[in-house]
Amino acid sequence: GQNIDQPTEMTATEGAIVQINCTYQTSGFNGLFWYQQHAGEAPTFLSYNVLDGLEEKGRFSSFLSRSKGYSYLLLKELQMKDSASYLCAARYNTDKLIFGTGTRLQVFP
Amino acid sequence: GAGVSQSPSNKVTEKGKDVELRCDPISGHTALYWYRQSLGQGLEFLIYFQGNSAPDKSGLPSDRFSAERTGGSVSTLTIQRTQQEDSAVYLCASSLAGELFFGEGSRLTVL
Repeated sequence: GQNIDQPTEMTATEGAIVQINCTYQTSGFNGLFWYQQHAGEAPTFLSYNVLDGLEEKGRFSSFLSRSKGYSYLLLKELQMKDSASYLCAARYNTDKLIFGTGTRLQVFP
Repeated sequence: GAGVSQSPSNKVTEKGKDVELRCDPISGHTALYWYRQSLGQGLEFLIYFQGNSAPDKSGLPSDRFSAERTGGSVSTLTIQRTQQEDSAVYLCASSLAGELFFGEGSRLTVL
C-alpha cells in the first residue's frame, strides 16, 4: 500500500506559523504534492517536491526528506483565508497520485 | 477549454439506477485521474489514464464502477446499480507533467 498519513485537524491563530506534517511509504516514490482545498471547492496546487530540502513560495514552504518518507507544509503569517483543508499527495512509479485524508486547518482571530 | 470541465455538476438519482459522469480535460493533457471525495474526507483514488497505456483501475471500489477515455481526451465514469454509499463528489483531474488540475466535481446523491 501507499499509506499517506497527516493529522486530521489543526488550529492556529492569525499571524502565527503552522506546520502540517505528512508521512508516506517510500517504495516507488517519486514526488510529493501539497494541495489546498476550501470547503465546497476543488483542490488547488500549492507545491511540489521531488528532491530533499525546502521549497519556499511566499508565505508557504514545503519540505521533503525522501529517506525518512516525510514532508511538511509550513504556513507563515497566517490569515483567516488560510482556513482550509491541506492535502498531501505522493506520486509513485506509474505517476499514480495518492492523496492523504487531508488536514483541516482553522485559523482564529 | 481553459480548465477541466465536469458534468453534471449535481446529480440526484434513485438507488439501483445507472449514472454517467463526464470529464473534459485540459487540451493536450495526457494524464487523467478520477477521485471520489465523501463529505469531510480526503480524495480516494479511483482510476488513472495515461496516454495510450492501459488504465490503472486499482482504485475502483467494485465492478459496478467503470471508466473509459475516448480518443485520449474526454472520459466517462459509469456507476451501475447505484447504492447510497456511492453518494460523494467525483473529482476529475488532468495533468501534462506533474501538477494536477482539478475540475469542480460532480456531486452525486443516491436516494
